[in-house]
Amino acid sequence: SQKIEQNSEALNIQEGKTATLTCNYTNYSPAYLQWYRQDPGRGPVFLLLIRENEKEKRKERLKVTFDTTLKQSLFHITASQPADSATYLCALDGTGGSYIPTFGRGTSLIVHP
Amino acid sequence: NAGVTQTPKFQVLKTGQSMTLQCAQDMNHNSMYWYRQDPGMGLRLIYYSASEGTTDKGEVPNGYNVSRLNKREFSLRLESAAPSQTSVYFCASSAERSRGEKLFFGSGTQLSVL
Repeated sequence: SQKIEQNSEALNIQEGKTATLTCNYTNYSPAYLQWYRQDPGRGPVFLLLIRENEKEKRKERLKVTFDTTLKQSLFHITASQPADSATYLCALDGTGGSYIPTFGRGTSLIVHP
Repeated sequence: NAGVTQTPKFQVLKTGQSMTLQCAQDMNHNSMYWYRQDPGMGLRLIYYSASEGTTDKGEVPNGYNVSRLNKREFSLRLESAAPSQTSVYFCASSAERSRGEKLFFGSGTQLSVL
């Protein structure tokens, strides 16, 4: 069955460094992959979408890569700030024609000043 | 612009009680969704409505019913609440149910069933 894996352990980094979060998937070939940010007590907020034929996508300090051979997406935040502290979720477009995003469990990012 | 609005924000129920979670969106979106989020489990789809007048089961529909009241509103009903339904519930909407469509989420309802 389709499986999406994100590191369950929190990622702690120092302000100004680049944060890199990983999303791995198995038994699936998604056409799209999305990244969302979730703050405590809030719903997820869409950040970026990358298509299977795109290797890389950028938006301001954010960069997403999508390697369909490795079945992996990397999410980078450059020059990280304490305000970037949140949980980041990856989502793959659904199977069976539903097209509804299926979410990973998310990775918590903590940026220390 | 409110986006997706959910009510209530918090609710405590006793086992066997019923309740309805309300969701409304003001973005003229066609598709709406209900997810639940549990620690260590991530977001799981309960039900969705691809368009007004249609509803379909998601990954974890047992114990729930939904109503797409109109294009704006999509409610989730627990007929007889169970402790296993203690969770945070999120409503979401998207312009269409198509590949790559991004979802807009509400702030969630934290439900505890005792």
